[in-house]
Amino acid sequence: QQPVQSPQAVILREGEDAVINCSSSKALYSVHWYRQKHGEAPVFLMILLKGGEQKGHDKISASFNEKKQQSSLYLTASQLSYSGTYFCGTEKAAGNKLTFGGGTRVLVKP
Amino acid sequence: GAVVSQHPSWVICKSGTSVKIECRSLDFQATTMFWYRQFPKQSLMLMATSNEGSKATYEQGVEKDKFLINHASLTLSTLTVTSAHPEDSSFYICSAHRGGGPYEQYFGPGTRLTVT
Repeated sequence: QQPVQSPQAVILREGEDAVINCSSSKALYSVHWYRQKHGEAPVFLMILLKGGEQKGHDKISASFNEKKQQSSLYLTASQLSYSGTYFCGTEKAAGNKLTFGGGTRVLVKP
Repeated sequence: GAVVSQHPSWVICKSGTSVKIECRSLDFQATTMFWYRQFPKQSLMLMATSNEGSKATYEQGVEKDKFLINHASLTLSTLTVTSAHPEDSSFYICSAHRGGGPYEQYFGPGTRLTVT
């Protein structure tokens, strides 16, 4: 079953923050986050494993609450390069098959 | 990061013909490769999971006789769209996985298929 992402779209000014949520109705083993720019392949951002971990890369970080079966991606002090569509991919077990959410379109304006 | 290539990057074919798309992992051995289909402004829909040397596992609703997948080596998987029709027009993306753990999937650049 496809995880639910919210919001569907967000418009930011450069330097502003945003949060993207990814919720599943099923227990999760891991959550993967990717960013895709128009006409290009998705680019890996990070993986979070069950255990309630948090991760960060530059000013993009994420958390995973396995009890709530949800993950959040935090865009801090957004840059123009952060524009794109963000997808979460969830894994129910260590079988490496991902089910992707509907995506969140992010537009960062100068 | 690891590099995955796809060929061709775009193809236009006539209805009724078959099209083959190649997916290669260039600098690592991919135990598993995945094939996705993506419609404009929509999510990635998994079509099938391909393991080297064995038959692909297709997702529900995906016709295995129409979308033939072959994973002959640890660096190459192919998707053949047989008897293509205009409704098969889409963006097809492959990804490769090293296997053995919660590693990321490395995506290819995608192939834009247009069936006229």
